[in-house]
Amino acid sequence: NAGVTQTPKFQVLKTGQSMTLQCAQDMNHNSMYWYRQDPGMGLRLIYYSASEGTTDKGEVPNGYNVSRLNKREFSLRLESAAPSQTSVYFCASRRFRETQYFGPGTRLLVL
Amino acid sequence: AQKITQTQPGMFVQEKEAVTLDCTYDTSDPSYGLFWYKQPSSGEMIFLIYQGSYDQQNATEGRYSLNFQKARKSANLVISASQLGDSAMYFCAMREEPNTGNQFYFGTGTSLTVIP
Repeated sequence: NAGVTQTPKFQVLKTGQSMTLQCAQDMNHNSMYWYRQDPGMGLRLIYYSASEGTTDKGEVPNGYNVSRLNKREFSLRLESAAPSQTSVYFCASRRFRETQYFGPGTRLLVL
Repeated sequence: AQKITQTQPGMFVQEKEAVTLDCTYDTSDPSYGLFWYKQPSSGEMIFLIYQGSYDQQNATEGRYSLNFQKARKSANLVISASQLGDSAMYFCAMREEPNTGNQFYFGTGTSLTVIP
């Protein structure tokens, strides 16, 4: 089992460019999440998907869109990147009532 | 109001000593879960321990225990017999059960340094 995988590991974007962060899990989990981690602010929830075909906003959804492509995959899209979106992005998944399992993270720098 | 508060930005502990990392939470829901995660310098998030709001006993996992004081809304992590490999960031988190229990809230973290 690979657990939760994320691609890419690192990315540098220019302001205004778009990109999609990919996340996949092989644990047959129903729920999937996208977080961002900024220094001194812990992890903040961007979007989550309780099950295939559903997505909901978290604490900081502005500037992002998500797609729950199937049960395994949950992607995060930045349509027009801004320097304020420079962060480390974590994907996570979980089965109902269990803990979350995190991917290794994606470091994004927006110039 | 902050859902999760960790008031210790940084802590130091001597190797083999015990250390307590503080966490207080804020919720009006009767059903919730509390978690601790470890984030070493390599960046991954590692689950350590879980406490449910209805659990009567404090959770323990090896050298980790969670001191759950429901009336005080605190969920402190106790690490016994600290090891050099325990040096990391530690995050407290809460899951509220309503809304399918999918809203997780994280604290700002505590940086723990274990001194040889």
